[in-house]
Amino acid sequence: QVQLQESGPGLVKPSETLSLTCTVSGGSVSTYYWSWFRQPPGKGLEWIGYIYDSGITNYNPSLRSRVTMSVDTSKNQISLRLSSVTAADTAFYYCARRDNNGYYCYWGRGTLVTVSS
Amino acid sequence: DIQLTQSPSFLSASVGDRVTITCRASQGISSYLAWYQQKPGTAPRLLIYAASTLQSGVPSRFSGSGSGTEFTLTISSLQPEDFATYCCQHLNSYPLTFGGGTKVEIK
Repeated sequence: QVQLQESGPGLVKPSETLSLTCTVSGGSVSTYYWSWFRQPPGKGLEWIGYIYDSGITNYNPSLRSRVTMSVDTSKNQISLRLSSVTAADTAFYYCARRDNNGYYCYWGRGTLVTVSS
Repeated sequence: DIQLTQSPSFLSASVGDRVTITCRASQGISSYLAWYQQKPGTAPRLLIYAASTLQSGVPSRFSGSGSGTEFTLTISSLQPEDFATYCCQHLNSYPLTFGGGTKVEIK
């Protein structure tokens, strides 16, 4: 059973960089599409971007200038970095794996990141 | 970007009711649509993919239909555990986007 667990600081200061890790168990990070999504409290979901095959990325144009994703196959982890954060980046952040059917069947439980001084 | 508009945004219903939620896309997305259920403090749960295919383990009272720009999610007989927020997502092109959500509450 594939399980995903997001981790990282719950509080980040404005203008700093948000860094999160998604640890995958029950399966390999290789050869799958991994996406990050986020959801501001009480609002809808937003796709941040995906990483595939350890290096191919596609980011949401609305965040592209600030986002970096990477994969660490030795630790079976996916990482997200979002630079120059503001209060608008306060959200629950989720990692998810795209299944062979093309849809996101596996999700982490999410982690809340608050941007505040 | 493709915009997804859900209606209604809020729905009050009773156990046993038949519930229908609509998702309209700003342009044709074939059948590249998913429906999710989300409860407070939890990750989205995939219910339906490819517009009408039931995800493994999801009760058969959930069904999806539609193609192109108009889609529906139907719950044939609402159960207590179904009170949640439902949202649609398209996977036709990037960026992926979601509908605004429909909150189903107990009448």
